[in-house]
Amino acid sequence: NAGVTQTPKFRVLKTGQSMTLLCAQDMNHEYMYWYRQDPGMGLRLIHYSVGEGTTAKGEVPDGYNVSRLKKQNFLLGLESAAPSQTSVYFCASRDFNRGNYEQYFGPGTRLTVT
Amino acid sequence: AQKITQTQPGMFVQEKEAVTLDCTYDTSDPSYGLFWYKQPSSGEMIFLIYQGSYDQQNATEGRYSLNFQKARKSANLVISASQLGDSAMYFCATNTDKLIFGTGTRLQVFP
Repeated sequence: NAGVTQTPKFRVLKTGQSMTLLCAQDMNHEYMYWYRQDPGMGLRLIHYSVGEGTTAKGEVPDGYNVSRLKKQNFLLGLESAAPSQTSVYFCASRDFNRGNYEQYFGPGTRLTVT
Repeated sequence: AQKITQTQPGMFVQEKEAVTLDCTYDTSDPSYGLFWYKQPSSGEMIFLIYQGSYDQQNATEGRYSLNFQKARKSANLVISASQLGDSAMYFCATNTDKLIFGTGTRLQVFP
């Protein structure tokens, strides 16, 4: 099992450009999450999904969109990148079983917006 | 709304000593989980330990234990016999459907 993978690992964008971050998991997890991590801020939840075809807003959803067309994939889109979106982005997934709360994290994507 | 507070931005501990990292939480959900994650300088998030709100006993995983005091809404992480490899950022988190993190504590272990 690859676990949770993220593509790309690094990216530099210019202000106003768009891009999509891909998260894939091969554990058949129902729940998937996108977080951003800024220095001194811990991880903040951007959007999440509790199943294929569903998405919901987290703490900091503005400027981002997401889609969960397939159970194994969770896409994070930036339509018009801003320097404030420079951050490290983590994807995570979790089993639906409420007895198993552990979230499995991907390795992260480092995004710089100039 | 859920909230996690970690009041120690940085901690130092000597190798082989024990250290306690503080975490307090606020949630209105009757059922919740509390987690600790380790993030070394390489950046990955490593799951350490989990405590359910209805668990009667404190969780333990090897050298890690979680000192859960429900009435005080605290979930402190205790690392026994610290090792140099324990130097990292440590995050406390709580969830129902989504995981909410604290701002973290940077632990540095010195020889």
